[in-house]
Amino acid sequence: EVQLLESGGGLVQPGGSLRLSCAASGLTFSSRAMSWVRQATGKGLEWVSSITASGDNTNYADSVKGRFTISRDNSKNTVYLQMNSLRVEDTAVYYCAKPNWNYRADWFDPWGQGTLVTVSS
Amino acid sequence: EIVLTQSPATLSLSPGERATLSCGASQSVNNNYLAWYQQKPGLPPRLLISDASNRATGIPDRFSGSGSGTDFTLTISRLEPEDFAVYYCQHYVTSPSTFGQGTKVEI
Repeated sequence: EVQLLESGGGLVQPGGSLRLSCAASGLTFSSRAMSWVRQATGKGLEWVSSITASGDNTNYADSVKGRFTISRDNSKNTVYLQMNSLRVEDTAVYYCAKPNWNYRADWFDPWGQGTLVTVSS
Repeated sequence: EIVLTQSPATLSLSPGERATLSCGASQSVNNNYLAWYQQKPGLPPRLLISDASNRATGIPDRFSGSGSGTDFTLTISRLEPEDFAVYYCQHYVTSPSTFGQGTKVEI
């Protein structure tokens, strides 16, 4: 069974930084693309970023481009999301999710439990 | 960017009834690259349907997906108590993949 476990969320001031981690198990991690999807409280889902299996290619939503960086360490079965210049509107639960195959656009299964990021002064 | 509009926003039904949820796209969803998810409070989304009509592993056959082009439907043939939740559609035709705003199925 594939399991994804996020960590690293918390409270940060506007303009601050945070790094999220997602530890994966139950899959050949180095062969699979990975993604981050977020959900503001009481709101819908928004795809944030994806990375290829090798880490050579990445993709970002316009809302985070230039501020967020996705990366991975295949030796640790972990994908990261470095979030800089955080804004109040970045407040959300951030889910790690596995796209089917295509890192640019695909359906997601499974999803992690999520980690809450709160940007507030 | 393809915009997905789900209707209705809220569906009030009783156990045993049939639920019909709609997802409309602002442009054609090629190859029927459309998925449906179920989300319960405090939990992550769960994949129900991919490619508009393919049930995911372990999903009961009371869930079915249909449609093509710009109009898609998720049908729950007979609602069970555990089916009361929020349902989202998602396209994955091209980047950015986007989600609908959700339909809440409530008792």
